[in-house]
Amino acid sequence: NAGVTQTPKFRILKIGQSMTLQCTQDMNHNYMYWYRQDPGMGLKLIYYSVGAGITDKGEVPNGYNVSRSTTEDFPLRLELAAPSQTSVYFCASSYDTNRHEQYFGPGTRLTVT
Amino acid sequence: QKEVEQNSGPLSVPEGAIASLNCTYSDRVSQSFFWYRQYSGKSPELIMSIYSNGDKEDGRFTAQLNKASQYVSLLIRDSQPSDSATYLCAVNKGTGANNLFFGTGTRLTVIP
Repeated sequence: NAGVTQTPKFRILKIGQSMTLQCTQDMNHNYMYWYRQDPGMGLKLIYYSVGAGITDKGEVPNGYNVSRSTTEDFPLRLELAAPSQTSVYFCASSYDTNRHEQYFGPGTRLTVT
Repeated sequence: QKEVEQNSGPLSVPEGAIASLNCTYSDRVSQSFFWYRQYSGKSPELIMSIYSNGDKEDGRFTAQLNKASQYVSLLIRDSQPSDSATYLCAVNKGTGANNLFFGTGTRLTVIP
């Protein structure tokens, strides 16, 4: 199993541009998550999904959108990129939320200038 | 009050020593507890899960949970330079998908 994969690894955007961060998992997990991690600030939940077709906002959803058309894929869309969105983005998945063991992808380092 | 609190460090220990990492949490209903290791520039990696009071050992790692004191710790025995990383504590407050909270991490440096 590849686990959770993310593309791209790095990206530089200009202010106002848009992009999609891709996330795929092959563990047949129903639950998927997007986090951002800023230095010294810990992991902040952006959006999550409890299954195909179902998504919900996390702690910091503004400026982002998600979709979940299949169990495997959970892309994160940035519209009108702003410097405040410069961060490292991690996708994660879990089998359930009872024990809630989450497994992370390798991350995307995004810079908005 | 933060959901999960950790000392940011850095914590420095000599090679071969025991490293002790601590974490406190605010909500008594929290049910499951995790330690993640994150190397610089890499993603968090789950290394320990603990669900009931007491100790859980896995190789050189021991997780300790005290629900009465709302306290979780991670002991790393015979510390190696390869253990140098940031260790994140995570706490699950319930069964909702948005109920896992992370601390900001403790940076550990093992000195050869």
